[in-house]
Amino acid sequence: ETGVTQTPRHLVMGMTNKKSLKCEQHLGHNAMYWYKQSAKKPLELMFVYNFKEQTENNSVPSRFSPECPNSSHLFLHLHTLQPEDSALYLCASRDFEGANIQYFGAGTRLSVL
Amino acid sequence: GENVEQHPSTLSVQEGDSAVIKCTYSDSASNYFPWYKQELGKRPQLIIDIRSNVGEKKDQRIAVTLNKTAKHFSLHITETQPEDSAVYFCAASFSGAGSYQLTFGKGTKLSVIP
Repeated sequence: ETGVTQTPRHLVMGMTNKKSLKCEQHLGHNAMYWYKQSAKKPLELMFVYNFKEQTENNSVPSRFSPECPNSSHLFLHLHTLQPEDSALYLCASRDFEGANIQYFGAGTRLSVL
Repeated sequence: GENVEQHPSTLSVQEGDSAVIKCTYSDSASNYFPWYKQELGKRPQLIIDIRSNVGEKKDQRIAVTLNKTAKHFSLHITETQPEDSAVYFCAASFSGAGSYQLTFGKGTKLSVIP
């Protein structure tokens, strides 16, 4: 295990539901990332947090809302999603002061019905 | 911004043969090139990386080469085994303290046939 834990591992939700994805890292890192992984596409960076501050938002629709209460926890709040949002959502972390080596969680497989 | 192209998208090799996956990048400022392996249903894991101050790096059966002039880098797996079957992603970025994004290729699905 890499020390990055994501819950839940699988999630099925309707388009009107509200749900949250959780990521926790035990590596002492201070930068955390959300990625979306769809079939036959590169990993798409969604959000970046450094020292709890959001530094990147790659034109992500507002139906995805990140939250980083501290350097160890990262959430992705979901509401009124679309079927095309079905994908694997991966969290990663790294040491902000170190090399750009990112450690990934196992992901949450999201299905939007 | 950085753009990373990865080829081939799928690759099948016989067990024991070698496999080569190639990537090109666009931003000459990039100086860090990691390779991740993602087995089915599992997380991407870093298997090897290279920085722009070296041209080649080896770790047992895995090697990565970098040509800065041509802006391409390659992953070489020798004596392939069935457990090498996975999707491999290359990435490029500038590395150092600060907020730097990894730009990933689309991935190569490697199948090693016993």
